[in-house]
Amino acid sequence: EIVLTQSPAILSLSPGDRATLSCRASQSVSKYLAWYQHKPGQAPRLLIYDASNRATGIPARFSGSGSGTDFTLTISSLEPEDFAVYYCHQRNTWPPFTFGPGTKVDL
Amino acid sequence: QVQLVESGGGVVQPGRSLRLSCATSGFTFSDYGMHWVRQAPGKGLEWVAFIWYDGSDEYYVDSVKGRFTISRDDSKNTVYLQMNSLRVEDTAVYYCARTYGDYHPDSWGQGTLVTVSS
Repeated sequence: EIVLTQSPAILSLSPGDRATLSCRASQSVSKYLAWYQHKPGQAPRLLIYDASNRATGIPARFSGSGSGTDFTLTISSLEPEDFAVYYCHQRNTWPPFTFGPGTKVDL
Repeated sequence: QVQLVESGGGVVQPGRSLRLSCATSGFTFSDYGMHWVRQAPGKGLEWVAFIWYDGSDEYYVDSVKGRFTISRDDSKNTVYLQMNSLRVEDTAVYYCARTYGDYHPDSWGQGTLVTVSS
């Protein structure tokens, strides 16, 4: 099973700040890593798929990079609606599909 | 637009059964594989089960193998999760999500809460 670790667990920032979130895999997942945004009581929202591709309708301030075992999600300038929990997810080796433990971007 | 709506959650005693449904609309259901993913209180997302677009195979996380069954009814555009022998640790919000092939799930429902408690 591929284990994903995310850092930091909590990121305390202000609107307008740049956010850099990290996801590390226990073994290579090639490019097959996605990022999701999740707010309480809402459906998770796909932001980035296959490491660096923005999903439909996702603003350009969200970007993803990395390959193999190390990945980064960058939010260039935080908007008030970006405060949420972010999960990485791998589909390279399954089952099981796995998620990271999440990074909470906090105000 | 794409919609996924889960239902069937509730409070159930340990050892009992529950069936979740996920009704979909706004896309060609038979073209998509479907996942169930859960989130226990205060925890992160955990993948539970996946069924291919054609129902040809199913996959489960180890903790639910032999207890949960995913199925689909393309005539109703609905995916199900039959949960038997429920345990306290199955308490979670359960989400359904669609996927094209084995791509990352791209649309999710709002979830349904399952509480297993005596």
